[in-house]
Amino acid sequence: ETGVTQTPRHLVMGMTNKKSLKCEQHLGHNAMYWYKQSAKKPLELMFVYNFKEQTENNSVPSRFSPECPNSSHLFLHLHTLQPEDSALYLCASSQVAGLEQYFGPGTRLTVT
Amino acid sequence: QQQVKQSPQSLIVQKGGISIINCAYENTAFDYFPWYQQFPGKGPALLIAIRPDVSEKKEGRFTISFNKSAKQFSLHIMDSQPGDSATYFCAASIGETSGSRLTFGEGTQLTVNP
Repeated sequence: ETGVTQTPRHLVMGMTNKKSLKCEQHLGHNAMYWYKQSAKKPLELMFVYNFKEQTENNSVPSRFSPECPNSSHLFLHLHTLQPEDSALYLCASSQVAGLEQYFGPGTRLTVT
Repeated sequence: QQQVKQSPQSLIVQKGGISIINCAYENTAFDYFPWYQQFPGKGPALLIAIRPDVSEKKEGRFTISFNKSAKQFSLHIMDSQPGDSATYFCAASIGETSGSRLTFGEGTQLTVNP
């Protein structure tokens, strides 16, 4: 099992709800990532944080709002989502100068 | 714009056979090519990776073959086992600056029949 945990593992929310996904890494890494995984599509990089600073936002809609309070924790705040946002959301971590990313198990999100 | 194309989308192999998954990339600046393995309910995990200065890398039953001129690389799983049944993703990234920016292929769902 990896040193990256994600909660909750499953989430069902309505389009008007507000919820948050949580990621925690226990590997001493200083870079963290959010990915979206949809069926039959490549993993889509959403956000990158290096040393708690956001360094990349891949044109993600504002209804997704990331937060990185420290190098070990990463959140994804969700509001006013659309059904097409239903997917597996994966968190990953790495060293800033490293190549290998370690993934969490993901949160399966269903928007109704 | 898909920078890493992976095929086949699904693959069925008999136990003991060889599984081969192919990827092609467009960006010649890519210099790190990992393969990730994902089991149901789990996140992807790094399986094996290669840099473009070598043409082949082997770890146990898993081998990456790399063809720089053709901009292609492939994963070979020798003596495939039912426990290898998973989804495999190829990926590519550029350098080690500011964390790795992995560009993933679409994935291949491998089924190894007993």
